Amino acid sequence: EVQLVESGGGLVKPGGSLRLSCAASEFTFTNAWMSWVRQAPGKGLEWVGRIKSKIDGGTTDYAAPVKGRFTISRDDSKNTLYLQMNSLKTEDTAVYYCTTTFCTNGVCYSDYFDYWGQGTLVTVSS
Amino acid sequence: QSALTQPPSVSGSPGQSVTISCTGTSSDVGSYKRVSWYQQPPGTAPKLIIYEVSNRPSGVPDRFSGSKSGNTASLTISGLQAEDEADYYCSSYTSSSILYVFGTGTKVTVL
Repeated sequence: EVQLVESGGGLVKPGGSLRLSCAASEFTFTNAWMSWVRQAPGKGLEWVGRIKSKIDGGTTDYAAPVKGRFTISRDDSKNTLYLQMNSLKTEDTAVYYCTTTFCTNGVCYSDYFDYWGQGTLVTVSS
Repeated sequence: QSALTQPPSVSGSPGQSVTISCTGTSSDVGSYKRVSWYQQPPGTAPKLIIYEVSNRPSGVPDRFSGSKSGNTASLTISGLQAEDEADYYCSSYTSSSILYVFGTGTKVTVL
């Protein structure tokens, strides 16, 4: 069964940095477009950004609130997705989930998020 | 880009039907069929239950159905069951700078 395990969350001061990891298994990570979605405590979901597979260009897209501060990368040799977060703000406090693109009958739909990890909590506070 | 608008809560008795609305704009829901719905029971990660407005992934019960009219998408749960208690979020592709926008979320309570 597909597994996504996030790690790296914790408490960081405003202006600080943190790198999250997402270890993937039981699917072909190399071919997968991956996204990060976050959820502030007691709040709704917010798309953070995504990275395409290398075969599709490996490019990244980001939501406006994090563009220029967050960087998504991947190491296909380690089946691992990363989220480098710099210049953190209190409003970045959230559980961060990594997700896969939804695929069915051999077709993948980049607009939908299928498997999700358990999430890792990032708290930005002084 | 603001979140899509959903009612904070809906409730129903077992066996009844409930409908959750998701109102966006002509930049998202109104212009694209790229609408999805997610179910999130307390303390768990979200689960995709509807994609492309009205399609169900394999394994999702057919009592969940989706539709769209103009700038508003809807999720209907027919034959409500206790296990359907959860938060539900809609999502849409958007032509704005954020690419994907989620709804504000709706808590479904089974009375």
